[in-house]
Amino acid sequence: SQQGEEDPQALSIQEGENATMNCSYKTSINNLQWYRQNSGRGLVHLILIRSNEREKHSGRLRVTLDTSKKSSSLLITASRAADTASYFCATVHSNSGYALNFGKGTSLLVTP
Amino acid sequence: DTAVSQTPKYLVTQMGNDKSIKCEQNLGHDTMYWYKQDSKKFLKIMFSYNNKELIINETVPNRFSPKSPDKAHLNLHINSLELGDSAVYFCASSRTGQILTDTQYFGPGTRLTVL
Repeated sequence: SQQGEEDPQALSIQEGENATMNCSYKTSINNLQWYRQNSGRGLVHLILIRSNEREKHSGRLRVTLDTSKKSSSLLITASRAADTASYFCATVHSNSGYALNFGKGTSLLVTP
Repeated sequence: DTAVSQTPKYLVTQMGNDKSIKCEQNLGHDTMYWYKQDSKKFLKIMFSYNNKELIINETVPNRFSPKSPDKAHLNLHINSLELGDSAVYFCASSRTGQILTDTQYFGPGTRLTVL
């Protein structure tokens, strides 16, 4: 299947620590996007990285992409309790039309 | 000001009933989507409309029928509801539908429970 798979499924850290989530996918992609979902809410777009990019930053977020390994990572530095959410990667393939292909997500819990 | 709104937020109904979920976006976007998120949080595209025209229709039972009266609205009608339809349904929109560059904006979701 085309969807990404996040690892780990669940992650629990303390405030101030860094959180790293990984995403692996199976087919070649045009871009990869990370979304956050707070409990009971819709998804919020965090960052988009194109297939010809290797790293992207946005505030405390750092995303890397390794197309040779078909993997991406999302790093959240100096985590806060408000970062507690589920994080999803979504891949876009040349034959996926207008659809995002989501993984199952990583549940992040940041405790004070 | 809610960018993408859905109604209702919760929907509890009996098997066999017909129900509708409404979605509206006030962002002036051309493309709208419906996604289904199952109990394991797996999110899957169901439909996509661009300027009121159907673009994507994934393998979804024909009991599900999307309707787009105008490009700001994409409603989802479900006939003969089944237990397996229980899920959270998300509406989303994007400016042009150019998947290579566009960000999708999601609504808050509708939690459907079929008893």
